[in-house]
Amino acid sequence: QKEVEQDPGPLSVPEGAIVSLNCTYSNSAFQYFMWYRQYSRKGPELLMYTYSSGNKEDGRFTAQVDKSSKYISLFIRDSQPSDSATYLCAMNPGNTGKLIFGQGTTLQVKP
Amino acid sequence: SAVISQKPSRDICQRGTSLTIQCQVDSQVTMMFWYRQQPGQSLTLIATANQGSEATYESGFVIDKFPISRPNLTFSTLTVSNMSPEDSSIYLCSARLAGYNEQFFGPGTRLTVL
Repeated sequence: QKEVEQDPGPLSVPEGAIVSLNCTYSNSAFQYFMWYRQYSRKGPELLMYTYSSGNKEDGRFTAQVDKSSKYISLFIRDSQPSDSATYLCAMNPGNTGKLIFGQGTTLQVKP
Repeated sequence: SAVISQKPSRDICQRGTSLTIQCQVDSQVTMMFWYRQQPGQSLTLIATANQGSEATYESGFVIDKFPISRPNLTFSTLTVSNMSPEDSSIYLCSARLAGYNEQFFGPGTRLTVL
């Protein structure tokens, strides 16, 4: 079993839809949770960073962490074609800085 | 955030040769890392680059194959040695900035080995 599980998709939605991306994890030592967006042929870009259970909002993006269920989510409101990319969840226990990544979900937002 | 640059951005190399990738960060850095992203896959940590000492390698990665240097806080190199086609990947450096837990990534080096 992988430490971090993420549905690879692909996920296709119409413009304006609400998108939900999810990851589950098995290691209860994970403390810090990140979501990255990666466009084709580019490096990962940090979107959201959280370290506690609950919600964090930044514009159209909301990151949600449920440590009791070992489950994290990223919601994208009013999705745009420019949101088409691969979304990677990542997490670490904090003391080493080592990130464990999910497989990444490929999202396509159709105009 | 930080600006992280990598050189070269891409290269095509012959089997048996070596390539050195450079990573430069424009901010104060506490930790630097090297990752590999194989075609269609997610990111896998190769090693943590330690300033002035040997890198800390993850299981499955060895110093002879992936020697790493970090002569100062903001600069690191990764060498891919004695390359084979299986080494064709994107190699990414990342940095954890002073006072932050987030990691920021460079644009990557796309390596093709023939």
